[in-house]
Amino acid sequence: AQSVSQHNHHVILSEAASLELGCNYSYGGTVNLFWYVQYPGQHLQLLLKYFSGDPLVKGIKGFEAEFIKSKFSFNLRKPSVQWSDTAEYFCAVTNTGGFKTIFGAGTRLFVKA
Amino acid sequence: GAVVSQHPSWVICKSGTSVKIECRSLDFQATTMFWYRQFPKQSLMLMATSNEGSKATYEQGVEKDKFLINHASLTLSTLTVTSAHPEDSSFYICSANAVLGQPSSSNSPLHFGNGTRLTVT
Repeated sequence: AQSVSQHNHHVILSEAASLELGCNYSYGGTVNLFWYVQYPGQHLQLLLKYFSGDPLVKGIKGFEAEFIKSKFSFNLRKPSVQWSDTAEYFCAVTNTGGFKTIFGAGTRLFVKA
Repeated sequence: GAVVSQHPSWVICKSGTSVKIECRSLDFQATTMFWYRQFPKQSLMLMATSNEGSKATYEQGVEKDKFLINHASLTLSTLTVTSAHPEDSSFYICSANAVLGQPSSSNSPLHFGNGTRLTVT
């Protein structure tokens, strides 16, 4: 069965620190990969997505993610976090040709000012 | 961007009653919508895929008779929690794939409603 694993449930960083959130998925076929973010009191919104092509994708607010097919990974990175990045981040996978999206458990990021 | 509107945002009901939650796509047509349930400090769990004009597809372990889904039009899907019990208390979220001006596909990112917090007393 398709599954998504996020390595860190809680991350606390100081402003300007670098961020990397791990995401691994299990599915044998071709997938579309997403990172969603949920800011406090708001609904989920798309941060970035990968369908094909360059495995390094850039999203909004300085975030990027790298798809490594051999490792079934899609880690999220940001070189320098800000206090406003405090949120919960979800990795998600959809198999191509299907519509069902499976989410990881989420990572709560708290950035200290 | 594509907007999904969910109503109500919160509801409190007594055990044994039924609650209907609406999910509307405001500026696009959605042949498929998804209903998720989110427990505190946990991820979104897909409950069912709502298909316009046909029966919903439920995930394993989700009771079809408990969680009735109707997708009567291209812009509206409803989830009815029947004979609600306290263990049904949760945060329910609907979503739809959308890229404005294009047919929905698995490449389309999900757009989420604001969610409905259901409390059953």
